[in-house]
Amino acid sequence: GAVVSQHPSWVICKSGTSVKIECRSLDFQATTMFWYRQFPKQSLMLMATSNEGSKATYEQGVEKDKFLINHASLTLSTLTVTSAHPEDSSFYICSARAYRDRGKETQYFGPGTRLLVL
Amino acid sequence: SQKIEQNSEALNIQEGKTATLTCNYTNYSPAYLQWYRQDPGRGPVFLLLIRENEKEKRKERLKVTFDTTLKQSLFHITASQPADSATYLCAGVTGGGNKLTFGTGTQLKVEL
Repeated sequence: GAVVSQHPSWVICKSGTSVKIECRSLDFQATTMFWYRQFPKQSLMLMATSNEGSKATYEQGVEKDKFLINHASLTLSTLTVTSAHPEDSSFYICSARAYRDRGKETQYFGPGTRLLVL
Repeated sequence: SQKIEQNSEALNIQEGKTATLTCNYTNYSPAYLQWYRQDPGRGPVFLLLIRENEKEKRKERLKVTFDTTLKQSLFHITASQPADSATYLCAGVTGGGNKLTFGTGTQLKVEL
């Protein structure tokens, strides 16, 4: 199988604090990881793409200084929401493309992290 | 801009019937389309992929079609069951690209 985990599954924080979300590929090495955000009743919107050992590529309109992404190893990527505000409250989902699936299109999605900023 | 559109209204059908969900795309020529299932509060789960040169793909009770003339993909679930109730997402990728562009999804409810 190809399992992607996220931690925490939900988090509540005060406005102005920073929150770190971890995304791990449990049984495969991920060459590329993706971070998405989903607001209620809306589609998943890609925030950034990261490859292991290199800087993330952010989508237009996504502030790289606010959403820090670190892809430290082939099995771990982290998203840090810095100085979170209520409008950052959303469902954050990561996905990973397996090294063994090079040339294929399969992305494996994590279960998501619900962030609520008070 | 590239758009993937799905019917935002929920689809309610009776158990045993065939559910048909529609995905239309504009300003866009995806090399392939993917269909995912998403349950409330969970991440998407991959179901099927169909390439632009494929007319139809099947997997157990699922069938997907890809019509590049109509710029449309249809997703069918035959002999539907209450356990099939979920939101189904369509996503497209252009050739050589990494990025999935998702539709908003269609909620399916299968009633007894």
